[in-house]
Amino acid sequence: DAGVIQSPRHEVTEMGQEVTLRCKPISGHNSLFWYRQTMMRGLELLIYFNNNVPIDDSGMPEDRFSAKMPNASFSTLKIQPSEPRDSAVYFCASRRETGSRRNTIYFGEGSWLTVV
Amino acid sequence: SQKIEQNSEALNIQEGKTATLTCNYTNYSPAYLQWYRQDPGRGPVFLLLIRENEKEKRKERLKVTFDTTLKQSLFHITASQPADSATYLCPVPGSARQLTFGSGTQLTVLP
Repeated sequence: DAGVIQSPRHEVTEMGQEVTLRCKPISGHNSLFWYRQTMMRGLELLIYFNNNVPIDDSGMPEDRFSAKMPNASFSTLKIQPSEPRDSAVYFCASRRETGSRRNTIYFGEGSWLTVV
Repeated sequence: SQKIEQNSEALNIQEGKTATLTCNYTNYSPAYLQWYRQDPGRGPVFLLLIRENEKEKRKERLKVTFDTTLKQSLFHITASQPADSATYLCPVPGSARQLTFGSGTQLTVLP
């Protein structure tokens, strides 16, 4: 089975530009998570969707960040305008809400964002 | 909100020894705990889950314990190998079962 697919894998952009990160969760998974990882702050949960509905967005740092999940197989995380302090690895993860592995989340390979 | 503390940011051990990593949590009594492994440049990968009514769980050279009184989980790797070098994470589930991660413990197994 294909895992969680993220794009782009790497992006370098200039401060002030809009950045859009994309995620395709594992087929059949009902929940989707966006995390951000930096050396200073570790792995932080930004937002959590269940059945395409945002359940917890308390980790979204500012209004510059927005996330959408228009359908069960696609989600985006957008930063507008981007700032150098947004440089990080952004992970998307998904989880099936039923069955024996319902508590396990599966991560993508991450999108490495550098804002200069 | 729940808080996770792992015993140290880095742990170096000699190959063949047992590595023991600690995860302490506060302000919450989770029904289960999980351990993940993260290699450089990769996303975390699930290793083991232990429930509150289980004292111990094993998988090959890995062993996890869960002490709900101490609010602590221990993760052991026996007969450690250089290939076990990675960052190990113990997220705590929140009220909506979202996982909150700490910074993890970076384990280095020296040959």
